[in-house]
Amino acid sequence: AQTVTQSQPEMSVQEAETVTLSCTYDTSESNYYLFWYKQPPSRQMILVIRQEAYKQQNATENRFSVNFQKAAKSFSLKISDSQLGDTAMYFCAFVYGQNFVFGPGTRLSVLP
Amino acid sequence: DTEVTQTPKHLVMGMTNKKSLKCEQHMGHRAMYWYKQKAKKPPELMFVYSYEKLSINESVPSRFSPECPNSSLLNLHLHALQPEDSALYLCASSPGDRITDTQYFGPGTRLTVL
Repeated sequence: AQTVTQSQPEMSVQEAETVTLSCTYDTSESNYYLFWYKQPPSRQMILVIRQEAYKQQNATENRFSVNFQKAAKSFSLKISDSQLGDTAMYFCAFVYGQNFVFGPGTRLSVLP
Repeated sequence: DTEVTQTPKHLVMGMTNKKSLKCEQHMGHRAMYWYKQKAKKPPELMFVYSYEKLSINESVPSRFSPECPNSSLLNLHLHALQPEDSALYLCASSPGDRITDTQYFGPGTRLTVL
């Protein structure tokens, strides 16, 4: 069974600084998908970034980028120029076939 | 309309009650999902409907009964629940019929079982 680990339960960062959230996963598959979803306090979960495992290029979305290391089974999220609105729970997710697995989450606080 | 709506926002029910949760999307998405999220935990996938047919059932107890009357509407019927079923129930939809597609989430229904 696939597992997803997020080793940082909580993190904080100063506004305008850069922060990296880690995610590792365990799988024997080669063609899968990885996601970062963000769940702000009392607000809807939204997609941050999506990565297809067969694509070598790291996905980016404005201030958000990933460092996808397939051999190391690592999928970290970098947030540049952190903003107060980035305060949220961040979930890494692994998807293969009909399996959708979220990691335990990292609670990120952006400090003014 | 670019959102997923869920009603009610909050629901309190006794263990002998029957209630339903409702989810709607008008984005023309082909798949809809139910998740259960306990406090300070990640969401857990319960059911997936693809083209109005149940495609994934993650071994959910029969006291939870999903229904997809049409492509825009997803219900979750609740009966004889237990206090441990208290959680935030999230609905999501995706444009395609695969769970590898990006999902769009609703705000959730917070359920309390007494």
